Amino acid sequence: QSVLTQPPSVSGAPGQRVTISCIGSSSNIGAGYDVHWYQQLPGTAPKVLIYGNKFRPSGVPDRFSGSKSGTSASLAITGLQAEDEADYFCQSYDRSLSGSGVFGTGTKVTVL
Amino acid sequence: EVQLVQSGAEVKKPGESLRISCKGSGYSFSTYWITWVRQMPGKGLEWMGSIDPSDSKSNYSPSFQGHVTISADKSISTAYLQWSSLKASDTAIYYCARLMYYDSSGYYPYFFDKWGQGTLVTVSS
Repeated sequence: QSVLTQPPSVSGAPGQRVTISCIGSSSNIGAGYDVHWYQQLPGTAPKVLIYGNKFRPSGVPDRFSGSKSGTSASLAITGLQAEDEADYFCQSYDRSLSGSGVFGTGTKVTVL
Repeated sequence: EVQLVQSGAEVKKPGESLRISCKGSGYSFSTYWITWVRQMPGKGLEWMGSIDPSDSKSNYSPSFQGHVTISADKSISTAYLQWSSLKASDTAIYYCARLMYYDSSGYYPYFFDKWGQGTLVTVSS
């Protein structure tokens, strides 16, 4: 069902910078819909990290940043920490899905 | 404090019916759409459908249309997800989440700001 493609996994050492891509198309990200990012720690519900492509809710560290360009978006984590090991999902909307949203395929971040 | 509290885990047999719930507190329940999200074992998140509790207007992702029913009772601040005949493939964790509006030049500026804790549904003979 996912029309937003993410890499299955990324990894980095503590302190490093990692990026996660979210590749869409002209019917979703490229159509002008914003992208949001969620973090899911093991065994817990997802939590919003970035909304509206680049905005952080209060309480989210500024190590997390988001951007969008054309038909894709990216989440960057700088100064990677052990507690960042989790699954990350992008989310947007698609004009072909009758008002429903869509999630990305998900990326597992491993801290080496 | 804004909270979405879901009903407990369920174990059902194929063909049985089921309704799970999501109760909102700490905010005006009628003001925000609620969405149900499926997560199959070891898999990603899937958008199932959403409901406006103020008038119970709902919409469904094409993949779930006709397979589940989403409803709400604003008088008790509760949204529901219902199956009439469960299948083994319905085994998953189901989350409810609140859609929050934000000011944006983009289309449909809504994101999930609050999530329920999830309800594990196991369907097995």
